[in-house]
Amino acid sequence: EAGVAQSPRYKIIEKRQSVAFWCNPISGHATLYWYQQILGQGPKLLIQFQNNGVVDDSQLPKDRFSAERLKGVDSTLKIQPAKLEDSAVYLCASSSSGPGETQYFGPGTRLLVL
Amino acid sequence: SQQGEEDPQALSIQEGENATMNCSYKTSINNLQWYRQNSGRGLVHLILIRSNEREKHSGRLRVTLDTSKKSSSLLITASRAADTASYFCATAVNRGSTLGRLYFGRGTQLTVWP
Repeated sequence: EAGVAQSPRYKIIEKRQSVAFWCNPISGHATLYWYQQILGQGPKLLIQFQNNGVVDDSQLPKDRFSAERLKGVDSTLKIQPAKLEDSAVYLCASSSSGPGETQYFGPGTRLLVL
Repeated sequence: SQQGEEDPQALSIQEGENATMNCSYKTSINNLQWYRQNSGRGLVHLILIRSNEREKHSGRLRVTLDTSKKSSSLLITASRAADTASYFCATAVNRGSTLGRLYFGRGTQLTVWP
């Protein structure tokens, strides 16, 4: 069974530029999550989708971050414009049921904002 | 914060020794999960223990949960150099009639020396 795929793996941009990350969850997984992991900290949930609907985006900085999950499969997370403090690893995860169950993580995208 | 907090922040041991990591949390939970993260990689699910369970085993892993003390421990027996990684506890918190998000702690960095 293929795992969660993410791209790109690394991205370096200058502040005020925009960037987009892509995630393909495990086939059949209805729930998809985007996390932000700052160096030395644990992952923090940004947004959770159930199929193609948003379930929880309370921690998403909506003035600069946006995410969508078209057709309930792939998802993209966008930052526009980026700030220095957005430098982090962006992790995508999926689960077959709700958020309280086992989540399967992708390798992450490491973002550096200069 | 509802996050789990791991203790210690860093742990360094020799191969063959046992490693014990602790996690404390603040609110009632549905379940508690432990994840491992190798440097530069995504998180890998290790074990899930539900609030009505007290102990669970998986291979060389033993997890305990004490809901009265709001704490959990992860024991890795006969550690190997390949166990070197960061270990995170994550709590699944009840929210109304549905499960809420997962809250991750800051992690314990385990180093196992050959």
